[in-house]
Amino acid sequence: QSVLTQPPSASGTPGQGVTISCSGSSSNIGSNSVNWYQQVPGTAPKLLIYNNNQRPSGVPDRFSGSKSGTSASLAISGLQSEDEADYYCAAWDDSFISWVFGGGTKLTVL
Amino acid sequence: QVQLVESGGGVVQPGGSLRLSCAASGFTFTNYGMHWVRQAPGKGLEWVAFIRYGGSDIYYIDSVKGRFTISRDDSKNTLYLQMNSLRAEDTAVYYCAREQWLGRKGEGYFDYWGQGTLVTVSS
Repeated sequence: QSVLTQPPSASGTPGQGVTISCSGSSSNIGSNSVNWYQQVPGTAPKLLIYNNNQRPSGVPDRFSGSKSGTSASLAISGLQSEDEADYYCAAWDDSFISWVFGGGTKLTVL
Repeated sequence: QVQLVESGGGVVQPGGSLRLSCAASGFTFTNYGMHWVRQAPGKGLEWVAFIRYGGSDIYYIDSVKGRFTISRDDSKNTLYLQMNSLRAEDTAVYYCAREQWLGRKGEGYFDYWGQGTLVTVSS
């Protein structure tokens, strides 16, 4: 079991929007920023969102992040086929003194 | 451009050792903390270890403490992970990643990742 909890799967049709949740606790999301990573199967993870809601250059504004209390969310609007990938949330955990990841959410674009 | 290239993976018997390397280029290696993150076959990402720039701070996930050692050679722009007493559950693709630190406790992110190197622990 991962310290951060994500739904194992999510889906949507092209053009639709989808939201992926990430639930944690006061020792991780509640007190530290959240980052999101995208991983296309067979490739290395790629930074998608950092510091809760910041997009690195080159990441489309269709991707957005938010955080409230001990939970965070990744929203993807205008789904495209190339968005089909695994998505992971991550945060520093003050109790474990380690970085923790969510279990990952497999996004399927139908 | 920033490049991270891992090497050193392979097949090893339980109880054996391996040393992974991560060659960095395209940035000033001495200015960045570096991480190892692993991914078991068909599973999610798991953070393994971190070393701050200058080697002043080192952290490990509990499951590898006492068995793995992270280190860096700034003169060679290279990050290492010495893995001893390997177990079947250490089988994974190991990625090195650069940390972009925002200057506050718990505030940072992994902005560049290598392509990974596969470690298989099996008899």
